Amino acid sequence: AQTVTQSQPEMSVQEAETVTLSCTYDTSESDYYLFWYKQPPSRQMILVIRQEAYKQQNATENRFSVNFQKAAKSFSLKISDSQLGDAAMYFCAYRTIIQGAQKLVFGQGTRLTINP
Amino acid sequence: ETGVTQSPTHLIKTRGQQVTLRCSSQSGHNTVSWYQQALGQGPQFIFQYYREEENGRGNFPPRFSGLQFPNYSSELNVNALELDDSALYLCASSSLTGKRGYTFGSGTRLTVV
Repeated sequence: AQTVTQSQPEMSVQEAETVTLSCTYDTSESDYYLFWYKQPPSRQMILVIRQEAYKQQNATENRFSVNFQKAAKSFSLKISDSQLGDAAMYFCAYRTIIQGAQKLVFGQGTRLTINP
Repeated sequence: ETGVTQSPTHLIKTRGQQVTLRCSSQSGHNTVSWYQQALGQGPQFIFQYYREEENGRGNFPPRFSGLQFPNYSSELNVNALELDDSALYLCASSSLTGKRGYTFGSGTRLTVV
């Protein structure tokens, strides 16, 4: 079964600095999708960035980028120029198929605090 | 482009009761998934609906059931509520493949007492 592990329950960073959140996953599939979601106190899961496993190039979205290491099954998120609005829970997720349905398998989350 | 709307936002029920949670999907999405997020945990997949039929289920008992309507909106029903059912219930809509990601609602916070 696919599993996703986020080993950092909490992280903090000074405003305007860079922080990296870690994620590892376990799968036997060769083609898959990975996501980072942000969950602020409003509770809504907001898609931050996604990565297609067959693409070697790391995905980037403005200040957010990933370091995707397929062989190591690692998918870390780098946030540059951290802003106060980045404070939230961050979840790494793996998309898999169960009984024909697409489902996301989430990690336990990392709580990110931004210090002004 | 409308997002995903869930109702109600909060709900308190008594053990043994039944509850119905509602979700409207994002425009252009035909697939709805439901997730249960216990406090301090990542969301867990309950089931997915496509073309008004359940097409996949996670490790949840049959007392968790759902519906999808022709306009792609959905309901989650939970019978015989237990204390452990207290959680945030998230609805997510997507295309069938889900490859471009899922749009989540803000969830319904269910408390069972």
